[in-house]
Amino acid sequence: NAGVTQTPKFRILKIGQSMTLQCTQDMNHNYMYWYRQDPGMGLKLIYYSVGAGITDKGEVPNGYNVSRSTTEDFPLRLELAAPSQTSVYFCASSYGISGRHEQYFGPGTRLTVT
Amino acid sequence: AQKITQTQPGMFVQEKEAVTLDCTYDTSDPSYGLFWYKQPSSGEMIFLIYQGSYDQQNATEGRYSLNFQKARKSANLVISASQLGDSAMYFCAMREGGGTASKLTFGTGTRLQVTL
Repeated sequence: NAGVTQTPKFRILKIGQSMTLQCTQDMNHNYMYWYRQDPGMGLKLIYYSVGAGITDKGEVPNGYNVSRSTTEDFPLRLELAAPSQTSVYFCASSYGISGRHEQYFGPGTRLTVT
Repeated sequence: AQKITQTQPGMFVQEKEAVTLDCTYDTSDPSYGLFWYKQPSSGEMIFLIYQGSYDQQNATEGRYSLNFQKARKSANLVISASQLGDSAMYFCAMREGGGTASKLTFGTGTRLQVTL
């Protein structure tokens, strides 16, 4: 049981390049989330999904896109990388939405855009 | 207004002592949940403890307890018998409502340093 896995761990992008951050969970969770964490700050929600085929915007969605074709996978796409997207990106999943259904986090992807 | 406020950017505590990390929150929703996560220097987010808005008793998980004062809208984390391995960033987070995805709003965190 690997939990939530993310690839890559690190990446350096040039301005204007595109990339996809991969996220996979093996806990059969319906709910998945993408967060970004800027230096010295808490996490901010980018996008989330309540199940395969259903996604919605979070607090900071501009510059990103997501898809959810399977329960397990929730990739995050950056189309035209900008320096403001330099951050650490966390994927998370949860079993439920009420009660103490905590979110399980992946190890993060550290992205630098130069 | 900030939904989650953590006013202590950094805290020091001696090994084996107890420490309280502050968290205040702002919501008008009667149904909400409060979470604490630990982020060690390795970067991963580790769930510590949960308190529901309707829970009558303060949550406890081993050495972690949550001092929940609903009227004051505070949810402070208490770590008893601190250990060197407790040195990390600690984030308070809130989930509002019960009918939507479990979106969390995070505070800016408190860096705890445990000293000998």
